Amino acid sequence: DQQVKQNSPSLSVQEGRISILNCDYTNSMFDYFLWYKKYPAEGPTFLISISSIKDKNEDGRFTVFLNKSAKHLSLHIVPSQPGDSAVYFCAASLEGNTGTASKLTFGTGTRLQVTL
Amino acid sequence: EAQVTQNPRYLITVTGKKLTVTCSQNMNHEYMSWYRQDPGLGLRQIYYSMNVEVTDKGDVPEGYKVSRKEKRNFPLILESPSPNQTSLYFCASSFIPGEQFFGPGTRLTVL
Repeated sequence: DQQVKQNSPSLSVQEGRISILNCDYTNSMFDYFLWYKKYPAEGPTFLISISSIKDKNEDGRFTVFLNKSAKHLSLHIVPSQPGDSAVYFCAASLEGNTGTASKLTFGTGTRLQVTL
Repeated sequence: EAQVTQNPRYLITVTGKKLTVTCSQNMNHEYMSWYRQDPGLGLRQIYYSMNVEVTDKGDVPEGYKVSRKEKRNFPLILESPSPNQTSLYFCASSFIPGEQFFGPGTRLTVL
């Protein structure tokens, strides 16, 4: 059973426009959420995170929104740049539970292509 | 430079031939983990370790073994590899709790 879902396998956006990547989760106990970016032939790299006590976190061009009631989070990239073309994974964890702290459950990924 | 290293990066082997993929981190992280990435399935956790001599199963542990004798190393062992273990493998480490740092990946093909 996929506890973290990214229903869009791919997304194409023009340079300069906003990219919105979506992620849904089913386990209401998740309390920490992260986005990772992955280029081909490299390992995933951490992008941005959000704790369940917040509904928004911003870092430069990247903003993550969390809607706990809908069990939904999204990553906004504004403005999108060609270098943002990569696969984006959302992940969730139970940070409040020390027995499983840092255990990440990943979504299946969304491939973002930013076109010129 | 802070990093997670994996070796080998690419490996082609045959069914049943034991292999080990090494993972090492230089950040003094307590937590280390192994994932496999398969098309349409994302990253799935195989095993993780909260500290030296402490390991536990992730979501897909069947056919794999791990050990954590030193803080910096967390090898993944396939005692008798099978074709369904053909995958892209990532090692990761972090402080507890914290964002995980990933290695560059090991692409394994089992014939």
